[in-house]
Amino acid sequence: AQTVTQSQPEMSVQEAETVTLSCTYDTSESDYYLFWYKQPPSRQMILVIRQEAYKQQNATENRFSVNFQKAAKSFSLKISDSQLGDAAMYFCAYRGGGATNKLIFGTGTLLAVQP
Amino acid sequence: ETGVTQSPTHLIKTRGQQVTLRCSSQSGHNTVSWYQQALGQGPQFIFQYYREEENGRGNFPPRFSGLQFPNYSSELNVNALELDDSALYLCASSLGDRGYEQYFGPGTRLTVT
Repeated sequence: AQTVTQSQPEMSVQEAETVTLSCTYDTSESDYYLFWYKQPPSRQMILVIRQEAYKQQNATENRFSVNFQKAAKSFSLKISDSQLGDAAMYFCAYRGGGATNKLIFGTGTLLAVQP
Repeated sequence: ETGVTQSPTHLIKTRGQQVTLRCSSQSGHNTVSWYQQALGQGPQFIFQYYREEENGRGNFPPRFSGLQFPNYSSELNVNALELDDSALYLCASSLGDRGYEQYFGPGTRLTVT
């Protein structure tokens, strides 16, 4: 069975600084997708970035980028120029290549942004 | 805002009762997935509906059931509520059962006493 592990329950960063959130996963599949979701206190899960396993190039979305290490099964999220609005719970999620959209989530990392 | 709506926002039920939660998917999306998020945990997949049929289920007992309607809105029904069913219930919509981009609603907070 696939698993997703986030080993940092909480992280803190100064406004305008850079922070990296860690995620590792375990799978025997070759075709899969990885995601980072943000969940602010409003509870709505927001997609931050996605990575297809077959793509070697790391995904980037504005201030958000990932470091995808397929052999190491590692998928970290880097947030550059952190803003107060980035404060939230961040979840790493895995989706296999099968016939459903089932996401397997990690336990999350709570990110605090200090002014 | 994702365009996915859920109702009610929160509700309180008594153990043994039944509850129905509702989800309206984003326009054009024909697939709805439901997740249970216990306090301090990541969401757990309950099941997925694609074109009104359940086509994927997580490790949840049969008292968790669902429906999807022709307009692709969906219901989650939970019978014989237990205290451990207290959680945030999230629905997510996507286009197709293999569409990798899912859009989540704001959730329904269920408290079972």
